[in-house]
Amino acid sequence: EDKVVQSPLSLVVHEGDTVTLNCSYEVTNFRSLLWYKQEKKAPTFLFMLTSSGIEKKSGRLSSILDKKELFSILNITATQTGDSAIYLCAVWGLFVKIIFGKGTRLHILP
Amino acid sequence: DADVTQTPRNRITKTGKRIMLECSQTKGHDRMYWYRQDPGLGLRLIYYSFDVKDINKGEISDGYSVSRQAQAKFSLSLESAIPNQTALYFCATSDPGTGGEKLFFGSGTQLSVL
Repeated sequence: EDKVVQSPLSLVVHEGDTVTLNCSYEVTNFRSLLWYKQEKKAPTFLFMLTSSGIEKKSGRLSSILDKKELFSILNITATQTGDSAIYLCAVWGLFVKIIFGKGTRLHILP
Repeated sequence: DADVTQTPRNRITKTGKRIMLECSQTKGHDRMYWYRQDPGLGLRLIYYSFDVKDINKGEISDGYSVSRQAQAKFSLSLESAIPNQTALYFCATSDPGTGGEKLFFGSGTQLSVL
């Protein structure tokens, strides 16, 4: 059965810390892996990864995919209170089959 | 910025009632989706549509129906609401021209079934 597993499920750190969020997957006919940030309601797109070893970067956020080991990480450096959110990992497989992980709830303490 | 708009934002209803959640988009995307989000369970696909005449079931379609009235409009109906349909519902769109994988979400409808 296809699955996407995120870890940790919850994380509390202090402002300025660096965090690493994990996403492992087993999905038939992998096409891409996506990261979303969910603050109050609607998830918003962060990154889409299709190739192994190529880092995507946006400001203090970066992500990389390992298609051999079937996982991705999302790094956030110099965290700020505005980074507090749920981070969702989703994997696009065959046709329209998108499997979402349960999310990592990140809380940044000032 | 172009939007994915869901109405209502919040809804409280009673068991057995029929309700409709509406979604409209100005992005010009052909693909539209309905998801529900439950605490601890993540997002799960209810129905999806690739164009006006295309309707497909997702992983949890039982108890739901949809209507694609136009390219821009996709509504979700609960024929006879039950308490375990209490959840946060999202409409989303995507553009097959860019690979179709990137989803754009509406702000969600929080539904409570008493």
